[in-house]
Amino acid sequence: DVKVTQSSRYLVKRTGEKVFLECVQDMDHENMFWYRQDPGLGLRLIYFSYDVKMKEKGDIPEGYSVSREKKERFSLILESASTNQTSMYLCASSPYTGRWDTEAFFGQGTRLTVV
Amino acid sequence: AQSVAQPEDQVNVAEGNPLTVKCTYSVSGNPYLFWYVQYPNRGLQFLLKYITGDNLVKGSYGFEAEFNKSQTSFHLKKPSALVSDSALYFCAVREGSSYKLIFGSGTRLLVRP
Repeated sequence: DVKVTQSSRYLVKRTGEKVFLECVQDMDHENMFWYRQDPGLGLRLIYFSYDVKMKEKGDIPEGYSVSREKKERFSLILESASTNQTSMYLCASSPYTGRWDTEAFFGQGTRLTVV
Repeated sequence: AQSVAQPEDQVNVAEGNPLTVKCTYSVSGNPYLFWYVQYPNRGLQFLLKYITGDNLVKGSYGFEAEFNKSQTSFHLKKPSALVSDSALYFCAVREGSSYKLIFGSGTRLLVRP
């Protein structure tokens, strides 16, 4: 089974802190994604990466950055956390197959609270 | 731009009755459609997908979904609901030539005993 592991289930951080959310997948997938989930808004894509050191902005990249130094690891960085970044963050991965029909596999989520 | 709509915030159904969770989509090309389920404080689990071919797709846990191109819909169905099906369900679409998955806002399914 594909396993996508997020380093923390729950995090509480202070406004202005730099926050790192880590995600590791064990299936050698090329593509990795960061989403945030908010009630009534569904999942919104923050960033995705299709290869090591490659990244593309999603729909809501403001206030976030990402790092992918190794294929299995994709980090989301909140440069200066703010209260409006309180949310559930979900990491996902999917393989490159040359087609567009593959599903994504999700981690268990990190619930971040910024106080 | 591609988009997904789930018109119902919540669906209530009695155990043993059939259930339907609605989803409509908008893409400019051929759609790839997915359903995911989320149990409390968990990540998303893949249920099923439509790529091409038969309009009725079968998936995990007895769920199925019907693709209707003329109505641009991809409704999730189950003939007999279980209390354990109570969860948050997300529809998602991917347009060809992109790895981005666009999600709907989610529908909470409550199955009462």
